[in-house]
Amino acid sequence: KQEVTQIPAALSVPEGENLVLNCSFTDSAIYNLQWFRQDPGKGLTSLLLIQSSQREQTSGRLNASLDKSSGRSTLYIAASQPGDSATYLCAVTHNTDKLIFGTGTRLQVFP
Amino acid sequence: DAGITQSPRHKVTETGTPVTLRCHQTENHRYMYWYRQDPGHGLRLIHYSYGVKDTDKGEVSDGYSVSRSKTEDFLLTLESATSSQTSVYFCATETSPTDTQYFGPGTRLTVL
Repeated sequence: KQEVTQIPAALSVPEGENLVLNCSFTDSAIYNLQWFRQDPGKGLTSLLLIQSSQREQTSGRLNASLDKSSGRSTLYIAASQPGDSATYLCAVTHNTDKLIFGTGTRLQVFP
Repeated sequence: DAGITQSPRHKVTETGTPVTLRCHQTENHRYMYWYRQDPGHGLRLIHYSYGVKDTDKGEVSDGYSVSRSKTEDFLLTLESATSSQTSVYFCATETSPTDTQYFGPGTRLTVL
């Protein structure tokens, strides 16, 4: 059974820091991996989608990498801002074609 | 944003009553999903649909049923609500199973 783990569960950093969020999955047979952002009381917003054949994707200050063989992905946030404060969720599309989510990393960026 | 709305946004009900949650999309996406989100469990798939009248069970389907009579609407029904079904419910849509999923704003359901 595919399991997705995110470490750390919570992170608090000062504004301006570069930071890395980690995601690991137990079965490397994935179609893709997605990173989502969730603000309190809101739905999820897709940030980056990495297909299984890709190594990384970039969008603005965000960069996500994928290492299928080791079952790992990282989300790199450059020059963090208070507006980046949210919960970040990682999810993989496994061989059942359904998304399997991690439990998220709650990020707080303070001024 | 894929134009997904959920109704109601908040609901409080009593144990044993039936509850129906509605998801409406305006993007003509073929695939639709219902998830529940609980502390410590993340998002878990309840049911999904891959077309009108085509639905299947997800990881936590017991106590839930769904219907999809039109492309734009996906209904989730709790036949007899229990306190364990207190949760935040999210609907999502996508164009294909390996594409990005777009999420609605969620429905917070409390079963007393």
